[in-house]
Amino acid sequence: DVQLVQSGGEVKKPGESLKISCQASGYNFNNKWIAWVRQMPGRGLEYMGIIYPGDSETRYSPSLQGQVTMSVDKSINTAYLQWSSLKASDSAMYYCVRLLTVTAFDFWGQGTLVTVSS
Amino acid sequence: QSALTQPASVSGSPGQSITISCSGASSGVGDFNLVSWYQHNAGRAPKLIIYEGTERPSGVSNRFSGSNSGNTASLTISGLQPEDEADYYCCSNVGSMAVFGGGTKLTVL
Repeated sequence: DVQLVQSGGEVKKPGESLKISCQASGYNFNNKWIAWVRQMPGRGLEYMGIIYPGDSETRYSPSLQGQVTMSVDKSINTAYLQWSSLKASDSAMYYCVRLLTVTAFDFWGQGTLVTVSS
Repeated sequence: QSALTQPASVSGSPGQSITISCSGASSGVGDFNLVSWYQHNAGRAPKLIIYEGTERPSGVSNRFSGSNSGNTASLTISGLQPEDEADYYCCSNVGSMAVFGGGTKLTVL
């Protein structure tokens, strides 16, 4: 069975760095795009961008370009989302998802809740 | 403000049918034949229920159906059940990127 298992929730202070993970299993990790989707408190779903594990090609939503970094480690079938300097506005639930098509995300991780507060 | 516009809320009684619309707010929104729909219950991960406008993933009830006409896509839920109460999001593409609608809260009365 296809599974995406995300790392646990995090509580951080503004200015700190963070890297959250998403480990895939049950399919060939290298040939399916992975996307990151966030939901800020009280808001809707927001597409952040995608990464292709086979060659690490990334495409970021224009509104998030430069704010986060997506990466993968093919040796352990894991995708990452990282911040170098968190802001309170980064507080959200973050989901990793597998792409079926450019707009169809067929498998979702359980979500990682990130809370940034002083 | 999303490039895709959905009604904030819809409601219906058990057994009824409801339709949620999703319209492109700008000419930059892409092919509505690629529209997907997601059901999101609080505390759970969203679930894909329609993709490529009309296709249902395996395991999704045939009470859910999708359609599109011009710059508007629609999700219809027939035979409403209490467990259908959730937030519903459409998703389309802008170039090679995806964009979600603002979401619609479905209340089953």
